[in-house]
Amino acid sequence: DAKTTQPNSMESNEEEPVHLPCNHSTISGTDYIHWYRQLPSQGPEYVIHGLTSNVNNRMASLAIAEDRKSSTLILHRATLRDAAVYYCILRVLYSGGGADGLTFGKGTHLIIQP
Amino acid sequence: KAGVTQTPRYLIKTRGQQVTLSCSPISGHRSVSWYQQTPGQGLQFLFEYFSETQRNKGNFPGRFSGRQFSNSRSEMNVSTLELGDSALYLCASNEFPAGVSYNEQFFGPGTRLTVL
Repeated sequence: DAKTTQPNSMESNEEEPVHLPCNHSTISGTDYIHWYRQLPSQGPEYVIHGLTSNVNNRMASLAIAEDRKSSTLILHRATLRDAAVYYCILRVLYSGGGADGLTFGKGTHLIIQP
Repeated sequence: KAGVTQTPRYLIKTRGQQVTLSCSPISGHRSVSWYQQTPGQGLQFLFEYFSETQRNKGNFPGRFSGRQFSNSRSEMNVSTLELGDSALYLCASNEFPAGVSYNEQFFGPGTRLTVL
């Protein structure tokens, strides 16, 4: 899987929007951009994924740059429960073949201040 | 639907022993993947099973093995434990094999293994 680069940590205030950046300059045309987060003492949790267009779901929005070399996960109104490590991952969608497991980098440790 | 369950949640072993961890996927999911998470290395892929067949394997020594049963439950075994095997072992399930469809993985809470 291609490599992603994220800031080690970010801090935000409760009830404010949070923009988590991810650089993936070596992304290929078949790589999907996935975001997972891991709350303390829990397994990772899927957040959102996309290929080219911006995506929205109940948890977050994903903004993908036109050249796809970067993306931003947007939490519209952060709560204390959003404090977690957020991972940006690139995944190739194979057609029927096998694939390597997910490769998580260090991620961004998001701190939410009350 | 119940989530992915892993047992036991915590385990303490000594060097040289062996350990077996269990993972029950979400009902209807036939793919189970195992991961090792350590502070230094992050989350690393061990192997994936789909319909009782190992489909892919990460870069771990042969001391790490697994299997999947007909009900999709999976076990992971580590023989001759080393201090460096202390980690959080996570399993994840999906309806489809890894690399197919949306590939959203549903993770369990993990088993915290401490090797003394």
